[in-house]
Amino acid sequence: SQQGEEDPQALSIQEGENATMNCSYKTSINNLQWYRQNSGRGLVHLILIRSNEREKHSGRLRVTLDTSKKSSSLLITASRAADTASYFCATVWNNDMRFGAGTRLTVKP
Amino acid sequence: GAGVSQSPSNKVTEKGKDVELRCDPISGHTALYWYRQRLGQGLEFLIYFQGNSAPDKSGLPSDRFSAERTGESVSTLTIQRTQQEDSAVYLCASSLTSGSFSYEQYFGPGTRLTVT
Repeated sequence: SQQGEEDPQALSIQEGENATMNCSYKTSINNLQWYRQNSGRGLVHLILIRSNEREKHSGRLRVTLDTSKKSSSLLITASRAADTASYFCATVWNNDMRFGAGTRLTVKP
Repeated sequence: GAGVSQSPSNKVTEKGKDVELRCDPISGHTALYWYRQRLGQGLEFLIYFQGNSAPDKSGLPSDRFSAERTGESVSTLTIQRTQQEDSAVYLCASSLTSGSFSYEQYFGPGTRLTVT
């Protein structure tokens, strides 16, 4: 069964704007990861944040984690048309990893 | 280096036929996952292999679905007596587990299964 739940389900913004996607989960985690999927095929790993971390950056990506609220957010700054994709969060607990249903991001040029 | 590969990339089959999907993980990766993704939806976990441990089959939707893995190499997902609702993209991923904090998964391109 799925673990994380992304919000919103779909997001449409203009190029240059920031995009924020949220992920909520219900159980404990060791870490939480964000992935991107283009064209309904293979996923690409973006960033991993451990349960004892609160924020991580990678290029234009910023991920935050609030374990007290069991939530994470992915911020993409200065978005580009090429950022158009589906974004998934995945939670890891012990030897198990589960994905959410994803947020479909559309960046209009 | 070589990533995760899957074959075939596309498969069209008639309802009631059996299909076998193959996944070649990255060499040395001990963990292997199968997921199903229906059109426009998220990933649905199917099964997980970790080394020589018994696989976690908790996500398999019915007894028509089964999977095998030979050691820490190739895995095959078999769907017997296919139904139209089995139509989806089947994704395989592998990861190198080194403790409980490093689970980046590497995904294959998927197999798009269409049951007519």
